[in-house]
Amino acid sequence: DPKIIQKPKYLVAVTGSEKILICEQYLGHNAMYWYRQSAKKPLEFMFSYSYQKLMDNQTASSRFQPQSSKKNHLDLQITALKPDDSATYFCASSLGTFNYAEQFFGPGTRLTVL
Amino acid sequence: GQQVQQSPASLVLQEGENAELQCNFSSTATRLQWFYQRPGGSLVSLLSNPSGTKHTGRLTSTTVTKERRGSLHISSSQITDSGTYLCAMGPNSAGNKLTFGIGTRVLVRP
Repeated sequence: DPKIIQKPKYLVAVTGSEKILICEQYLGHNAMYWYRQSAKKPLEFMFSYSYQKLMDNQTASSRFQPQSSKKNHLDLQITALKPDDSATYFCASSLGTFNYAEQFFGPGTRLTVL
Repeated sequence: GQQVQQSPASLVLQEGENAELQCNFSSTATRLQWFYQRPGGSLVSLLSNPSGTKHTGRLTSTTVTKERRGSLHISSSQITDSGTYLCAMGPNSAGNKLTFGIGTRVLVRP
């Protein structure tokens, strides 16, 4: 059974719309993260959360808003979508946000903005 | 900013050959974590190594944080090893943010 679930797997949106990317982890972890992988670029860190609280935010745009309704959930709301937002978005989790905590990744949501 | 450089960019192997993938990073890291990215895009954590040498199956990770370098050795390569191998460095500050390299694309031929 998959331990980190991301939904949907593929998502197509129109410019200016709003979408929510879902992430749930069943590893019993306390920390969750979002990363983004755009074409021909390295995976890029976006946010880290620990016990549902924001720890680090490397995303300049306020259009990206994580939402954590439960400890094992960290959804990503994206508003006013732009074509440059097209990327695969990965959710990850780890035991904690201490530096030696190994991170495990979900399968990703591939977002295409037209 | 922190940067992670991986080499080579791509590698072609005959099945059964060994391979060594390199990772160099520009800032002090607390660890390197190696990932395998499947052709479909999903990421699998292979090894997380703060320093020294760590093994799992046919994979060996060596990290020398003081010299800002690491490597992943693949022994007796198999066709199913084909894919992209990503190196990520863990920070020396709080938050556990990983900084990734662009990857090494490996193709293993029969």
